[in-house]
Amino acid sequence: EAGVTQFPSHSVIEKGQTVTLRCDPISGHDNLYWYRRVMGKEIKFLLHFVKESKQDESGMPNNRFLAERTGGTYSTLKVQPAELEDSGVYFCASSQRFGQGLGEAFFGQGTRLTVV
Amino acid sequence: DAKTTQPPSMDCAEGRAANLPCNHSTISGNEYVYWYRQIHSQGPQYIIHGLKNNETNEMASLIITEDRKSSTLILPHATLRDTAVYYCIARPNFGNEKLTFGTGTRLTIIP
Repeated sequence: EAGVTQFPSHSVIEKGQTVTLRCDPISGHDNLYWYRRVMGKEIKFLLHFVKESKQDESGMPNNRFLAERTGGTYSTLKVQPAELEDSGVYFCASSQRFGQGLGEAFFGQGTRLTVV
Repeated sequence: DAKTTQPPSMDCAEGRAANLPCNHSTISGNEYVYWYRQIHSQGPQYIIHGLKNNETNEMASLIITEDRKSSTLILPHATLRDTAVYYCIARPNFGNEKLTFGTGTRLTIIP
């Protein structure tokens, strides 16, 4: 069974440009999460989807970040316009159906974003 | 979510048991103790979780004190591949499903 897949693995963009990160969760997982680690800091929660609905977006840093999960399958996280402080590693995770107990969350390998 | 406290770093000899402590003195009755680890450049990996009973799986054992204020993750026969940052997380069993990562313990396995 394929794990959580993230694209691209690395991205280098200039300040002010737009970048879109993609996450393909494990098939059948309704829960999808985005996290990020900026340099020297802890891994921080960004938001949580249950199927196509945003369950919790309390961790989104500002309105330059837009996450979508059309159809409840893969998700995208767009940063527009990117700023230098957005540099870091963005992780996606998925877990089993909501309301069926807290199973383990499976993480992707992350997308390393560098804004120059 | 309850705050957890872990030592910043630990060393362990290869082949020996690695015992990683975690304090969670403010944990509430509905919070589980979860352990994850992050091996360099990879995404976090689930290890084990428990509520109040000791748990064991193919990766590790989790020992939770009777008062639930602390726990210990045990890797029975540490290998070089176990070198990673280990995170102890207290997480409610309903409602808020996000994981709150702290600074963790950087475990180094010494050959």
